Amino acid sequence: DSGVTQTPKHLITATGQRVTLRCSPRSGDLSVYWYQQSLDQGLQFLIQYYNGEERAKGNILERFSAQQFPDLHSELNLSSLELGDSALYFCASSRESGGNTIYFGEGSWLTVV
Amino acid sequence: KNEVEQSPQNLTAQEGEFITINCSYSVGISALHWLQQHPGGGIVSLFMLSSGKKKHGRLIATINIQEKHSSLHITASHPRDSAVYICAVVLQGAQKLVFGQGTRLTINP
Repeated sequence: DSGVTQTPKHLITATGQRVTLRCSPRSGDLSVYWYQQSLDQGLQFLIQYYNGEERAKGNILERFSAQQFPDLHSELNLSSLELGDSALYFCASSRESGGNTIYFGEGSWLTVV
Repeated sequence: KNEVEQSPQNLTAQEGEFITINCSYSVGISALHWLQQHPGGGIVSLFMLSSGKKKHGRLIATINIQEKHSSLHITASHPRDSAVYICAVVLQGAQKLVFGQGTRLTINP
């Protein structure tokens, strides 16, 4: 158990819908990262938050947004969903920003039908 | 060309064999991670390296910053080592991770 909790574990939704994925980092970790893993693209970095502030942005679509709340949990919002958004979405956390061991959650499987 | 290249993409070996997985990168980095992903999907961080060598049990990771290359070695491999091993680099001056495509390792009993 990495200490990083993601919900929901599985989600099936229709095209055009909006979903929210939730992540609770390990106790004491200030950084939260979101990654997308699809069959054809492999693992891709989406976005990082550090202590409530956006720190780095990767290949995150404009239809996607994220935030980190004062209690350090984070949410990834995916809207206007397309079939190609079907993927495993990982949240990870680390103590600081960069240069630390990263702990991954078990992922949220999103299937868009 | 990908910024992070792993080889081989697939590796099948017999239990007990010594395993080496390679990772080459073409960008400046501040650190490199080796990750393990089991068939269920969960990812575990094995090592984080910025120089030299680290050992944990039967796993050894090395990095050569000048040559922009890292290796992950598994000694006395076991079927439970079967997983996808992923190399990921932290870009210098940025906080984002860039991932290799992974190496699928299968250890047969």
